[in-house]
Amino acid sequence: QKEVEQDPGPLSVPEGAIVSLNCTYSNSAFQYFMWYRQYSRKGPELLMYTYSSGNKEDGRFTAQVDKSSKYISLFIRDSQPSDSATYLCAMSGGGYSSASKIIFGSGTRLSIRP
Amino acid sequence: GAVVSQHPSWVICKSGTSVKIECRSLDFQATTMFWYRQFPKQSLMLMATSNEGSKATYEQGVEKDKFLINHASLTLSTLTVTSAHPEDSSFYICSARDKGYNQPQHFGDGTRLSIL
Repeated sequence: QKEVEQDPGPLSVPEGAIVSLNCTYSNSAFQYFMWYRQYSRKGPELLMYTYSSGNKEDGRFTAQVDKSSKYISLFIRDSQPSDSATYLCAMSGGGYSSASKIIFGSGTRLSIRP
Repeated sequence: GAVVSQHPSWVICKSGTSVKIECRSLDFQATTMFWYRQFPKQSLMLMATSNEGSKATYEQGVEKDKFLINHASLTLSTLTVTSAHPEDSSFYICSARDKGYNQPQHFGDGTRLSIL
């Protein structure tokens, strides 16, 4: 079993729809949860960075973490064609040590249809 | 803020040559930098963790004599692929963490390496 599981998609939705992206994980030591967006042939761009359980909102993006279920979500409201990309969830145990590596999901390819 | 610059963005070279990739943090000091490899439609695979002024820590299965990492300053790390072969062709991405507790990683735009 992988430490982080993410449906690879592809996921295709019409413009303006609400998008829900999810990941599950098995390591209860994870405390920091991230969502990255990666356009084709580019490096990942940090979208959301959250600690422990709860919600965090930034513009059209909302990140949710449920540590009891080991489940994290990213919601995109009013989706735009420019949101079409691969979305990677990532998590770590945190701390100063370089040993607190980030573990990435495999990424979900999202396509927003105009 | 938190800009990471990676150079070159694309390189093609003959089998047997060595290729150096640079990773710079432009507006912050990065005590730790990471090097990843990404195959098409796959996630990032961590190759090594680089701390300023010390030897890099390589992940299991990554040849340290093949992938030389130098992190000589708080803003620059380099990855040298030595005696590159076609199987080394891939997308290499670096990331950097700012100093401080639990800072996230910020990524460069990657280097597409093609070995003929």
